[in-house]
Amino acid sequence: TQLLEQSPQFLSIQEGENLTVYCNSSSVFSSLQWYRQEPGEGPVLLVTVVTGGEVKKLKRLTFQFGDARKDSSLHITAAQPGDTGLYLCAGAFNDMRFGAGTRLTVKP
Amino acid sequence: NAGVTQTPKFRVLKTGQSMTLLCAQDMNHEYMYWYRQDPGMGLRLIHYSVGEGTTAKGEVPDGYNVSRLKKQNFLLGLESAAPSQTSVYFCASSYGGLAGGEQYFGPGTRLTVT
Repeated sequence: TQLLEQSPQFLSIQEGENLTVYCNSSSVFSSLQWYRQEPGEGPVLLVTVVTGGEVKKLKRLTFQFGDARKDSSLHITAAQPGDTGLYLCAGAFNDMRFGAGTRLTVKP
Repeated sequence: NAGVTQTPKFRVLKTGQSMTLLCAQDMNHEYMYWYRQDPGMGLRLIHYSVGEGTTAKGEVPDGYNVSRLKKQNFLLGLESAAPSQTSVYFCASSYGGLAGGEQYFGPGTRLTVT
């Protein structure tokens, strides 16, 4: 059983569409991170959220941390083919626990 | 800066063989980690180190050993490989904090055990 559940597992959209992916748990995190991983490479950190209700923006990406610090979402506006990749969330417990990821494909 | 490097990139082992994966970082980070990544399972922590000469077990340590004799290097050993250890292995390092600090990952080692 995954401590962090990510949904959807796979997502395929056309360039220009908007999308939201989710990261949920029954446990409370002290912080949560989002990473993006491209094929053949290791994950790269996108953002860290710490405070319940926090919203962070990174260009077309908007990250939200739930008020109770049990869930998070990543919203991408006007997706581009360069956004294609595996998006992983990771929650801080005694160590970092990763979700299985959402594999996003953006078609031109 | 090379960041985090891993060798080898690919390896095929037969059941029962042994091998060592090498991770090196040039960022002077105290913390280093070994993860395995399997389809549908995400990244799972095998072992980690909070400094030179220290190691500790993560979520899935069985069948693996580690050593951190130098601050910049973290070795992962498989003494007797099993097909269940077929996976992609990632090394990571961070400046501080076992939880919450930014982790820098290497490119991974794809291991197949037949």
